[in-house]
Amino acid sequence: NAGVTQTPKFRVLKTGQSMTLLCAQDMNHEYMYWYRQDPGMGLRLIHYSVGEGTTAKGEVPDGYNVSRLKKQNFLLGLESAAPSQTSVYFCASSYHVTGLVSNQPQHFGDGTRLSIL
Amino acid sequence: DQQVKQNSPSLSVQEGRISILNCDYTNSMFDYFLWYKKYPAEGPTFLISISSIKDKNEDGRFTVFLNKSAKHLSLHIVPSQPGDSAVYFCAASVDTGRRALTFGSGTRLQVQP
Repeated sequence: NAGVTQTPKFRVLKTGQSMTLLCAQDMNHEYMYWYRQDPGMGLRLIHYSVGEGTTAKGEVPDGYNVSRLKKQNFLLGLESAAPSQTSVYFCASSYHVTGLVSNQPQHFGDGTRLSIL
Repeated sequence: DQQVKQNSPSLSVQEGRISILNCDYTNSMFDYFLWYKKYPAEGPTFLISISSIKDKNEDGRFTVFLNKSAKHLSLHIVPSQPGDSAVYFCAASVDTGRRALTFGSGTRLQVQP
């Protein structure tokens, strides 16, 4: 039972390089999210998706793009990496439940540690 | 402006005693609150949650209390165990729409044997 899997786990990039972070979930969740965590701070929302083929911006979307071509996968892209994007990136997923009380927590992957030199 | 605040960066407790972790929020639209536990090099793991229609939720050694008028919630761990040593994040969301979580900055709990 894999849950949420993120690849790669570590990566070092040079400024200006591009890369894609992959998130895969096997729980048939509709909602998927990308967060970043910086030292001394909580996780902050970059982009999210409420279903296959849909994406939307979160609080800190600049410099990132996302795609959700398949329900189980959510890709985060850095087109031109900058040192300010050095961070730990977490992907999460959750069910969509209609009603007053959803009580459906997000499940997180183990993160991708990205360093940009 | 931080909408979810955890004002204590760290907490040290003796094994067997109670651990109390606190969290304050400012956005009155939040209606779903969660606590996550995080070990180094791992992702956050869901611990316990509470809806805004309740003021208490228990799960084994873990209890979350919500005081809506004070915009305050707390996590009680009784009894504390060395394996509870981790960073605890408080998170909140609006239970419609994107349901994204707004996190506090975390409290590092150390349980001394």
